Amino acid sequence: GAVVSQHPSRVICKSGTSVKIECRSLDFQATTMFWYRQFPKKSLMLMATSNEGSKATYEQGVEKDKFLINHASLTLSTLTVTSAHPEDSSFYICSATPGPGELFFGEGSRLTVL
Amino acid sequence: AQSVTQPDIHITVSEGASLELRCNYSYGATPYLFWYVQSPGQGLQLLLKYFSGDTLVQGIKGFEAEFKRSQSSFNLRKPSVHWSDAAEYFCAVRGTNAGKSTFGDGTTLTVKP
Repeated sequence: GAVVSQHPSRVICKSGTSVKIECRSLDFQATTMFWYRQFPKKSLMLMATSNEGSKATYEQGVEKDKFLINHASLTLSTLTVTSAHPEDSSFYICSATPGPGELFFGEGSRLTVL
Repeated sequence: AQSVTQPDIHITVSEGASLELRCNYSYGATPYLFWYVQSPGQGLQLLLKYFSGDTLVQGIKGFEAEFKRSQSSFNLRKPSVHWSDAAEYFCAVRGTNAGKSTFGDGTTLTVKP
């Protein structure tokens, strides 16, 4: 199956700093990528939908200026958590798809903000 | 709007026993349906999917699921559970227009020895 790589898998940062998480489709071109946030023992909450070459579409309640999403190429999308605070600590997961049908998921990134 | 309901938050079964995880969805037509499994601290792994055709689909690790249009259900089954199946299971629906997916709240499976 198709492979989606997410990096870093774990990151610890100080409050007030920014953190960038990368999501790469390794063997297919991802026209669309999705970013999710998952709280402990909870389901995936869709944060935004990212289409290559256009601005991301954010879900209601997600701060666009806090969670910057860039999808500059068909194989790479990035999520930048700006001015991170402890409440931003979470598990972030990306998924990518070449079109209709299945989503392929990254391994997730555990963010801890001190 | 699409939605997914997984009625069982937590299920415990004995190793070797059969398993059924329930999933009901709401969508205007027949969507794409998926079951994913997640181990702690990991991403999601696809177990199986239904797009069209045969309503009984086979997946990896001995899992299968049956799409029942009349009941808007897509229940996951396994005839004999292994201890390594203990994990979180998510049912998901995605529209055929390549839109976003909606996930259920998940079912935590515990396997007793």
